[in-house]
Amino acid sequence: GQQLNQSPQSMFIQEGEDVSMNCTSSSIFNTWLWYKQDPGEGPVLLIALYKAGELTSNGRLTAQFGITRKDSFLNISASIPSDVGIYFCAGQLAGAGSYQLTFGKGTKLSVIP
Amino acid sequence: EAGVVQSPRYKIIEKKQPVAFWCNPISGHNTLYWYLQNLGQGPELLIRYENEEAVDDSQLPKDRFSAERLKGVDSTLKIQPAELGDSAVYLCASSHGGEQYFGPGTRLTVT
Repeated sequence: GQQLNQSPQSMFIQEGEDVSMNCTSSSIFNTWLWYKQDPGEGPVLLIALYKAGELTSNGRLTAQFGITRKDSFLNISASIPSDVGIYFCAGQLAGAGSYQLTFGKGTKLSVIP
Repeated sequence: EAGVVQSPRYKIIEKKQPVAFWCNPISGHNTLYWYLQNLGQGPELLIRYENEEAVDDSQLPKDRFSAERLKGVDSTLKIQPAELGDSAVYLCASSHGGEQYFGPGTRLTVT
C-alpha cells in the first residue's frame, strides 16, 4: 500500500539534544498525525494537526503541518531516555466518509544517556 | 477511560492452522479498524467498520481473512488457514469521527 516518506529512518542522539524528523508525501492530506510506538505496544497519538501551516506543541514536542499540505515535521527538545521508540507520521484524507490513515515507515530514535 | 483492548497479545501457531484475534474498542467509538504491521513498517489498513458495517475492506485478503463486528462493538479478525507470511502484528484501533487510538496489538508468529 501507499506509504509516506519519513526521514531519517533512525537516529542516535545524546540525552539533552534536540531531535527533528519529517514526513513528505506526493499527495495532500487534511490531517497530519504523529504517533510513538514502544516495543510490544501499539502506536500512541502524540500530536494531531488539522490546518495547513498549523504549529502545535505538546510538552517538549512540536509539530507543524506544511503549507503545501504534503509534509509535516516533528521536533523533540531536550531529549530524555524515555523518548526512545519509533515515531510514525500519518496522513489522513477525510472525505466521502473515509478516514483512512497512511503511515510512514517510522523513525527509530535512540537516546544515549 | 479504558483504551482499546486486544487479545491475545501473542500467538504462535503452525502454518495452515486457523487463528482469531479479538478487539474491544473504546466505549462510544463507532468506528473500528484492523491494521497489519510488518516488521520495520508502519501499520496498513485491513478493514474499517462503521458500527457493524464493513465500509472499507479493499485491503483485506478475502481468500483467507475474515472479520466481523456483529453488534457494532467488539470485533474479531480471523485467518484460516494461516501462512508463514502472515507473521506480523495485528493492530486494532477505534475512533469517534476523528483521531484513531490503537490497542497494544497481537503479535502472530506462524511456524
